[in-house]
Amino acid sequence: EDQVTQSPEALRLQEGESSSLNCSYTVSGLRGLFWYRQDPGKGPEFLFTLYSAGEEKEKERLKATLTKKESFLHITAPKPEDSATYLCAVQAPHAGGTSYGKLTFGQGTILTVHP
Amino acid sequence: GAGVSQSPSNKVTEKGKDVELRCDPISGHTALYWYRQSLGQGLEFLIYFQGNSAPDKSGLPSDRFSAERTGGSVSTLTIQRTQQEDSAVYLCASSSWPTRGDNEQFFGPGTRLTVL
Repeated sequence: EDQVTQSPEALRLQEGESSSLNCSYTVSGLRGLFWYRQDPGKGPEFLFTLYSAGEEKEKERLKATLTKKESFLHITAPKPEDSATYLCAVQAPHAGGTSYGKLTFGQGTILTVHP
Repeated sequence: GAGVSQSPSNKVTEKGKDVELRCDPISGHTALYWYRQSLGQGLEFLIYFQGNSAPDKSGLPSDRFSAERTGGSVSTLTIQRTQQEDSAVYLCASSSWPTRGDNEQFFGPGTRLTVL
């Protein structure tokens, strides 16, 4: 069974204080690792997809990296508007080998950035 | 362009009643997913549509849950004889997978269901 574990559960930072969020995963045949941002009362907003170990993607103050066992979301010089819940998800083949595209999500990391 | 829309945004119902939740995906997206987000449970997959077919229903928690999709577009999730444990936010997502190689799923705002 696919498993995704995110840590820490909650993270408080001062504005400008860089840090990283962790996503550990156990899947058979990773087809993609996804990062989403979710604001209260809204649906998740897509950030990145990573497909293979060593891959990195950046967007503004965020950079996502991937190894064979985990992914990191690095936040550089965060601002209060970066406060949100960050979700990690994996896509893996169905039990029969076919990939139907469903995502298995971690519990998320609640990030709060104080001014 | 328009994103994924869901209706209603909030639904309060009494235990035992049936409810219908609607999802309008992004135009042209053939893949449609339903997820459920409960406090302490995270986001859980319910069902996947490709066109009007549902090749993966493995996440539906019981036979009280069903879903359909018509015209390769709008989808309806129906919960019969609602129970208090059905209270959650129901999220719909669509993507152009597998037409495109990636599976970037765009989510709607969700329907918050409360069963009294």
